[in-house]
Amino acid sequence: KNQVEQSPQSLIILEGKNCTLQCNYTVSPFSNLRWYKQDTGRGPVSLTIMTFSENTKSNGRYTATLDADTKQSSLHITASQLSDSASYICVVSAGDYKLSFGAGTTVTVRA
Amino acid sequence: AAGVIQSPRHLIKEKRETATLKCYPIPRHDTVYWYQQGPGQDPQFLISFYEKMQSDKGSIPDRFSAQQFSDYHSELNMSSLELGDSALYFCASSLLGGVNTEAFFGQGTRLTVV
Repeated sequence: KNQVEQSPQSLIILEGKNCTLQCNYTVSPFSNLRWYKQDTGRGPVSLTIMTFSENTKSNGRYTATLDADTKQSSLHITASQLSDSASYICVVSAGDYKLSFGAGTTVTVRA
Repeated sequence: AAGVIQSPRHLIKEKRETATLKCYPIPRHDTVYWYQQGPGQDPQFLISFYEKMQSDKGSIPDRFSAQQFSDYHSELNMSSLELGDSALYFCASSLLGGVNTEAFFGQGTRLTVV
């Protein structure tokens, strides 16, 4: 069973609108959580990395939140642009240094 | 800064042939991960290596094998290729230890089996 679950699987939003992606994990012990953006046919690129003590972290129009108690994270995209169309992957690192990948959320931004 | 290098970038093979994909991690990174992403599909974890030893295994077929060499580069060997093996294969590397461990991905190798 995948220890990192992402939702929704895919979503379509209009340019300029906001959206929020969810990541729930059961990985334990927890070391850090990262959000990656993967453009079609290219390698994932890191957006944010959060440790246990961090609740929120921003990278431009991307804001990630982390609730280590409920083991939930979200990635909020503000004022979406066409270039935001990509897959967003949540990756959780356990205390034993293993990485667990979510299946990703495919975001499509339409004009 | 040096990134994760994968070679080749594109590969076309016929059914039942063998393919070898290579991954060169970022210098001083000790861990390598392999992922398979079929067309329109979610990325599937195949296998990982830490300090040249297999550290985790995912949905890697028995027809595939992989190893990490003394210089930390890794190779994914795929035999008896099937049409369904056509996919984008990603390699990622990281340096384990510390709470801010970062995993960096290569650009991928696109394998097409015909």
